[in-house]
Amino acid sequence: EVQLVESGGGLIQPGGSLRLSCAASGFTVSSNYMTWVRQAPGKGLEWVSVIYTGGYTYYADSVKGRFTISRDNSKNTVYLQMNSLRAEDTAVYYCARSPEYDYWGQGTLVTVSS
Amino acid sequence: QSMLTQPPSVSAAPGQKVTISCSGSSSNIGYNFVSWYQQLPGTAPKLLIYDNDKRPSGIPDRFSGSKSGTSATLGITGLQTGDEADYYCGAWDTSLSAGVFGGGTKLTVL
Repeated sequence: EVQLVESGGGLIQPGGSLRLSCAASGFTVSSNYMTWVRQAPGKGLEWVSVIYTGGYTYYADSVKGRFTISRDNSKNTVYLQMNSLRAEDTAVYYCARSPEYDYWGQGTLVTVSS
Repeated sequence: QSMLTQPPSVSAAPGQKVTISCSGSSSNIGYNFVSWYQQLPGTAPKLLIYDNDKRPSGIPDRFSGSKSGTSATLGITGLQTGDEADYYCGAWDTSLSAGVFGGGTKLTVL
């Protein structure tokens, strides 16, 4: 059974850093594109970042230079390192298997506030 | 601001049909596949349609997708109260080298 489980969210002050994890089971992350999508409270979906099978990465302009996506094949886990966090980064962060986004995690809430 | 444009809301009676539009540009819908997602309150999005018109296993044929030029449409027939949800379209944008979503459409089954 395919499953994605995000973790690492929480309350963080502006300017701080967090690392989100997305642990996969039932498939191999290195053989799939993996994407992070976020959803601010009461708002729509916003694409954040993707890591391709070959390791190429792409980012939304809103997070470029601050967020870094990576994966650990030995742990079958994808990460999102988030630095210089801003209030507008407050959202539920989902990881999803790409490119169809056929499987999603349950999401982890990141709240950026002083 | 979303790169894909959807109507904020649609409504119809149980048993009826509804369509949700998604308008983009030549760099996203016009060039790449479109997917559709259903998000029930408090839950993660769920894939309904991929590659413009394909349904994943387990998605009933009441849900359909189509694409023409730079626009796509999600159709839902035989509406049920359980279909009340937010619906999103999504695609890859080749110019941005980024994914894009529509702003979402809230479906109300009256």
